[in-house]
Amino acid sequence: AQKVTQAQTEISVVEKEDVTLDCVYETRDTTYYLFWYKQPPSGELVFLIRRNSFDEQNEISGRYSWNFQKSTSSFNFTITASQVVDSAVYFCARAMDSSYKLIFGSGTRLLVRP
Amino acid sequence: NAGVTQTPKFRVLKTGQSMTLLCAQDMNHEYMYWYRQDPGMGLRLIHYSVGEGTTAKGEVPDGYNVSRLKKQNFLLGLESAAPSQTSVYFCASTDWDSGVEKLFFGSGTQLSVL
Repeated sequence: AQKVTQAQTEISVVEKEDVTLDCVYETRDTTYYLFWYKQPPSGELVFLIRRNSFDEQNEISGRYSWNFQKSTSSFNFTITASQVVDSAVYFCARAMDSSYKLIFGSGTRLLVRP
Repeated sequence: NAGVTQTPKFRVLKTGQSMTLLCAQDMNHEYMYWYRQDPGMGLRLIHYSVGEGTTAKGEVPDGYNVSRLKKQNFLLGLESAAPSQTSVYFCASTDWDSGVEKLFFGSGTQLSVL
């Protein structure tokens, strides 16, 4: 199976610290898409970003940044100056071009303490 | 816009009972998905549909059936519920071919099988 691995089950940081969430994926496809979703305690899934396999440019959006490296099959997510509201479970996912099924990692629970 | 609506939000079943979860989307999306979420395992794809009248198996299809008779609705059925099907179920939809960048998720259905 072409898995998505989020090796960090849970991370705890103090507010204002930077934190990086790791994501490693497996794929045999040349075209694919990578995603990050946030699931706050309320339970809904919030879309954060989609990245195409042919676009390795890193992306920054406010305090969030993403580092996509095809050479290591990684798509890591960094939160700068973390805030308590960032506490959530974060999921990395991969979709294949042919069917667009999203395969999710097991998630990383981030706890930001005041 | 309502987006993706799941009914019911909560349900308790006895082992062997049957039920149907309804997912409705008002965005005219072609693609619809059913996921289950279990602690420590992330979201796993049960079944999906790439258009009206079509369905396909995902990662964990056993014990479930689906139907997509109308484009806006995607039904998930449990014919004989088992305790192992206790989970939170999420429906999602998108329309990749139109350049939509993300899955739109419903708010989830908490199902307990006793």
